[in-house]
Amino acid sequence: SAVISQKPSRDICQRGTSLTIQCQVDSQVTMMFWYRQQPGQSLTLIATANQGSEATYESGFVIDKFPISRPNLTFSTLTVSNMSPEDSSIYLCSVEDKGNYEQYFGPGTRLTVT
Amino acid sequence: GIQVEQSPPDLILQEGANSTLRCNFSDSVNNLQWFHQNPWGQLINLFYIPSGTKQNGRLSATTVATERYSLLYISSSQTTDSGVYFCAVDLTGGGNKLTFGTGTQLKVEL
Repeated sequence: SAVISQKPSRDICQRGTSLTIQCQVDSQVTMMFWYRQQPGQSLTLIATANQGSEATYESGFVIDKFPISRPNLTFSTLTVSNMSPEDSSIYLCSVEDKGNYEQYFGPGTRLTVT
Repeated sequence: GIQVEQSPPDLILQEGANSTLRCNFSDSVNNLQWFHQNPWGQLINLFYIPSGTKQNGRLSATTVATERYSLLYISSSQTTDSGVYFCAVDLTGGGNKLTFGTGTQLKVEL
């Protein structure tokens, strides 16, 4: 399975600022995904990021708030813009394993907005 | 959209006990995975099981796709089994966008 790392692992940010989260994979993958897990809740898909094309956002998530980059097949970033306390969550990236549909997740970025 | 419900929402076990967690989904799926989220937030893959039965040590899973449910069995539970268990599904032809269930919070006590 792919090995996935995320930076930062956690951060505390002030409202109105932006944070960029990095996701690095140890092998080339076609599809990368970004999820949000609000406190005490399940995971919700934010967007799908494919290399060479615009990210596809799920209902309730917009590019201005969560811009995503996918410059190559091993890396992606998610920016949380103009943050408010409601953005306090764990943000996780995942990748689809080659050859099947199984997804693997990074360790997550725990964001607190004050 | 697809609904994914898990039961029970919370479960407390004594070490050594067995348990069954259930995942019901409202539509046909072509991907179903079980995850364990440990207390540090890491999601650990347990099973990729769109249909049939699989076993891995003390854990096993069964998915009956035609009846739209999956079961996760934990035998001889240990304190390290504590955490949240999620099932996640992808609609047939949905491009592998996982919809996560509501989760089961498990605590195993000595």
